[in-house]
Amino acid sequence: NAGVTQTPKFRVLKTGQSMTLLCAQDMNHEYMYWYRQDPGMGLRLIHYSVGEGTTAKGEVPDGYNVSRLKKQNFLLGLESAAPSQTSVYFCASSDPIRWYEQYFGPGTRLTVT
Amino acid sequence: TQLLEQSPQFLSIQEGENLTVYCNSSSVFSSLQWYRQEPGEGPVLLVTVVTGGEVKKLKRLTFQFGDARKDSSLHITAAQTGDTGLYLCERGDDMRFGAGTRLTVKP
Repeated sequence: NAGVTQTPKFRVLKTGQSMTLLCAQDMNHEYMYWYRQDPGMGLRLIHYSVGEGTTAKGEVPDGYNVSRLKKQNFLLGLESAAPSQTSVYFCASSDPIRWYEQYFGPGTRLTVT
Repeated sequence: TQLLEQSPQFLSIQEGENLTVYCNSSSVFSSLQWYRQEPGEGPVLLVTVVTGGEVKKLKRLTFQFGDARKDSSLHITAAQTGDTGLYLCERGDDMRFGAGTRLTVKP
């Protein structure tokens, strides 16, 4: 099992450009999450999904959109990137019973210039 | 916003020493997770504590959940260089993370 994978690993964008980050999991988990990690601030929840076709806002959702068209995939979109979105993005998944125990992907390092 | 505070922020020790790091909240929470994160990787779950006063051991790591379920600690006995990393706590109720304790164990 690959667990949770993220594509791409690194990306550099110019202000105003758009992009989509892809997360895939092969553990048949219902719940999926997107976090961002900034120095000295731990991880902050952007959006999450409790099942295919459902999404919800987390702590810092502004400037991001998400979609969960398939159970195994969770996409994070930036429509118009800003330098404040420079960060490391992590995807995670969990099952509904022990939903608080999350399995994380390796991260995507995004730089917006 | 109910913060989750971790202390110390940084810790540098010699191999073989013992250490304790802390995770505190102003509110009661139902569960708390501890993760370890190595550079360039995602966090990896170490343990979940759910019962006030609970103590869990994972080899040289001992995790404790406070009786009032507002705090938790992680104690490492005889630290090894492989313990180096960022230790994060997460409150299960709202998936909020602390800022972490960055541990360096020197040979």
